[in-house]
Amino acid sequence: QKEVEQNSGPLSVPEGAIASLNCTYSDRGSQSFFWYRQYSGKSPELIMSIYSNGDKEDGRFTAQLNKASQYVSLLIRDSQPSDSATYLCGSNSGYALNFGKGTSLLVTP
Amino acid sequence: GAVVSQHPSRVICKSGTSVKIECRSLDFQATTMFWYRQFPKQSLMLMATSNEGSKATYEQGVEKDKFLINHASLTLSTLTVTSAHPEDSSFYICSARDQRGSTDTQYFGPGTRLTVL
Repeated sequence: QKEVEQNSGPLSVPEGAIASLNCTYSDRGSQSFFWYRQYSGKSPELIMSIYSNGDKEDGRFTAQLNKASQYVSLLIRDSQPSDSATYLCGSNSGYALNFGKGTSLLVTP
Repeated sequence: GAVVSQHPSRVICKSGTSVKIECRSLDFQATTMFWYRQFPKQSLMLMATSNEGSKATYEQGVEKDKFLINHASLTLSTLTVTSAHPEDSSFYICSARDQRGSTDTQYFGPGTRLTVL
């Protein structure tokens, strides 16, 4: 079974700090990985995609991928209260995305 | 990015009626679209995979005769909830697979909140 595991949280960080969200996946055949942000009552919004080992940066967001360890992470620098949401990690092994259950992030002023 | 729309955004219906939800990819063609359901404070649940020009593939436990999916064009998939009951009340979200260039990414529609009275 293809599984994606995330800590459900909530993860609480103070405003301005770095939030670190982690995800592990079981399917070694997964080729691409995604982070989505979902606000309460809204649908998921794509934040980052990453396909190769290493880091990928986009503004305040950095995605990290380690295929040997089957590990994906998302760092949010200078966290803002507006970053408070549920973050979904997804892996793609060729068809439908496999999603984790999401990590709830709370950024406190 | 890419834009996916859903219509309606919110619907309230009486028990026993059928409701159709449309999902459109606005700026790209999507051979594959996906339908999810999400209950309050729970994770996304994949219901079915919709393929243009062929039958949908349903996940285990999802009744294909109750949740009818039609993917008649490369930009439109519809989900019809037949004979809806209060337990079908949920947030239904579609996503479309964008395979332009070297990418293979899913973009979500804004969702449809269904309330069955």
